[in-house]
Amino acid sequence: AQSVSQHNHHVILSEAASLELGCNYSYGGTVNLFWYVQYPGQHLQLLLKYFSGDPLVKGIKGFEAEFIKSKFSFNLRKPSVQWSDTAEYFCAVLNFNKFYFGSGTKLNVKP
Amino acid sequence: DVKVTQSSRYLVKRTGEKVFLECVQDMDHENMFWYRQDPGLGLRLIYFSYDVKMKEKGDIPEGYSVSREKKERFSLILESASTNQTSMYLCASSKQGLDEQFFGPGTRLTVL
Repeated sequence: AQSVSQHNHHVILSEAASLELGCNYSYGGTVNLFWYVQYPGQHLQLLLKYFSGDPLVKGIKGFEAEFIKSKFSFNLRKPSVQWSDTAEYFCAVLNFNKFYFGSGTKLNVKP
Repeated sequence: DVKVTQSSRYLVKRTGEKVFLECVQDMDHENMFWYRQDPGLGLRLIYFSYDVKMKEKGDIPEGYSVSREKKERFSLILESASTNQTSMYLCASSKQGLDEQFFGPGTRLTVL
């Protein structure tokens, strides 16, 4: 079945640690890729997106993601996390005009 | 700034009641979406609309219907609420074509 997989459901890091959240998808053809973040009590907002061009995409708040077509992956990275990065992160794929979301990864950053 | 507003942040209803969830966007977006968000399941698409009076089923449309009479407003209707429809409901909108979605704050619905 076509899907978006986020294998890490819950990640706990200390401040200044590096972060990598995995996202794999199984849709064929052209895809557009997104990472959204939901801070506690707030609505979902866009972190970054990939449509075409440079597969390394930079987003807000120091986040970046790399599209690796051969691996059907779009992993999210941040070199040094802060306590304020505590949130839930969702990977999403836009394929044939429909959005598909992963199950989310809860990130807890300890001060 | 794009604004997507939802009529209620919290709603408590009884089994069998008809429930209306309203969503309004102020950016003249063509596309509007309704999702439900459940722990461990992420966001699941219920219905979406590409234009006024047009609607398409998402992945979990059973038990729901929608209405889009005006471009800025997209309503989700639970004809006869059931306890398994207790969830967080998110509305989103986007421009026509391939583009990011903008989300509302969500409505947490509890069906007793």
